[in-house]
Amino acid sequence: GENVEQHPSTLSVQEGDSAVIKCTYSDSASNYFPWYKQELGKRPQLIIDIRSNVGEKKDQRIAVTLNKTAKHFSLHITETQPEDSAVYFCAASGKYGNKLVFGAGTILRVKS
Amino acid sequence: DSGVTQTPKHLITATGQRVTLRCSPRSGDLSVYWYQQSLDQGLQFLIQYYNGEERAKGNILERFSAQQFPDLHSELNLSSLELGDSALYFCASSVGLADTGELFFGEGSRLTVL
Repeated sequence: GENVEQHPSTLSVQEGDSAVIKCTYSDSASNYFPWYKQELGKRPQLIIDIRSNVGEKKDQRIAVTLNKTAKHFSLHITETQPEDSAVYFCAASGKYGNKLVFGAGTILRVKS
Repeated sequence: DSGVTQTPKHLITATGQRVTLRCSPRSGDLSVYWYQQSLDQGLQFLIQYYNGEERAKGNILERFSAQQFPDLHSELNLSSLELGDSALYFCASSVGLADTGELFFGEGSRLTVL
């Protein structure tokens, strides 16, 4: 079945620095790759997503890149702010849109 | 507010018991997903329904079962509960299948098994 690996498990950066989180997926049929942010005690919420026919997508300080050949995708956050501190999850859809499998999560701490 | 409603928010029960968690998806959403999030753990996919039919199963234990009703609400039944079943159970919904767009999560049902 689909497996998604996510690294690193924790990431500490200084305010204003960039943060990069990387994921790999196993199912070559996966075609949708969202990223979710979960603040402490809250529900996960979508922050950005990318489809398999696109290599890169940007939304203000957040960008996602996808390398289909290598089955890698990454989240880039620039000019980090304390409010970016949260757990970030990558995910990949299964074949035919069945299931959305999440990575193990990355705890991002932005130090001010 | 995501529009996804989960009840109960909190539940405390004993080992060996059975509980039912309920989820009402956003209006118009046909897919419902259940995820388990244990302490310091990620989001473990349990099961997905689309328009009343089971579409995908993850690592769901045989003691757990779920269904989606004609009005599209869903229930997750957990039986013969063990201490390790203590977790936050999220329901999510989406308009179409998992590759069509955003999953909207409810606030979760926190289950504590004593």
